[in-house]
Amino acid sequence: GAVVSQHPSRVICKSGTSVKIECRSLDFQATTMFWYRQFPKQSLMLMATSNEGSKATYEQGVEKDKFLINHASLTLSTLTVTSAHPEDSSFYICSASGQGAVQPQHFGDGTRLSIL
Amino acid sequence: AQKITQTQPGMFVQEKEAVTLDCTYDTSDPSYGLFWYKQPSSGEMIFLIYQGSYDQQNATEGRYSLNFQKARKSANLVISASQLGDSAMYFCAMRATDFNNDMRFGAGTRLTVKP
Repeated sequence: GAVVSQHPSRVICKSGTSVKIECRSLDFQATTMFWYRQFPKQSLMLMATSNEGSKATYEQGVEKDKFLINHASLTLSTLTVTSAHPEDSSFYICSASGQGAVQPQHFGDGTRLSIL
Repeated sequence: AQKITQTQPGMFVQEKEAVTLDCTYDTSDPSYGLFWYKQPSSGEMIFLIYQGSYDQQNATEGRYSLNFQKARKSANLVISASQLGDSAMYFCAMRATDFNNDMRFGAGTRLTVKP
């Protein structure tokens, strides 16, 4: 099946640091990538939809300046958590899908972010 | 708006028995896809099975089958012959063509398989 690679898998850093998370589709061109956040024992919450070559579409309540998304190519999207604080600690997971509205999304393995 | 509901926060099943995880959905879009994902404690999301809104037959993938009842807007996951490795969180999800292709998830059901 399709493979999505997410890196890093775990980050521990000090408050105020900016953290970049990469999401790559390895064997297909992903015109759209999605970024989710998951708190412990909760479901995945969509943060933003990332479209190649255009600005990301953020969900209501998600700070655009805090969570910067770049989708510069058909195989790479990045999420940068700027000036991270302890409340930003969470599990972040990306997904990608190819053409077709009702196709499975393929997920990366997630990034566990811990801000001290 | 789309809405996915999983009413079972936790389920227990004896090893080798079958279990049904419930999922209901709501959408006004005639074209949509329903998905089930498994999330073990390690965190990765594993795609299990897909059902299209226009599919006439229930989807099956190995030990997984989807009991799709369109009129009732339900898409329950049936796992047959449960194994200890099936213990995980299970999420029902939906994509509809009217909603920018994004995928919305239910709250999830934690399945525990007992030996």
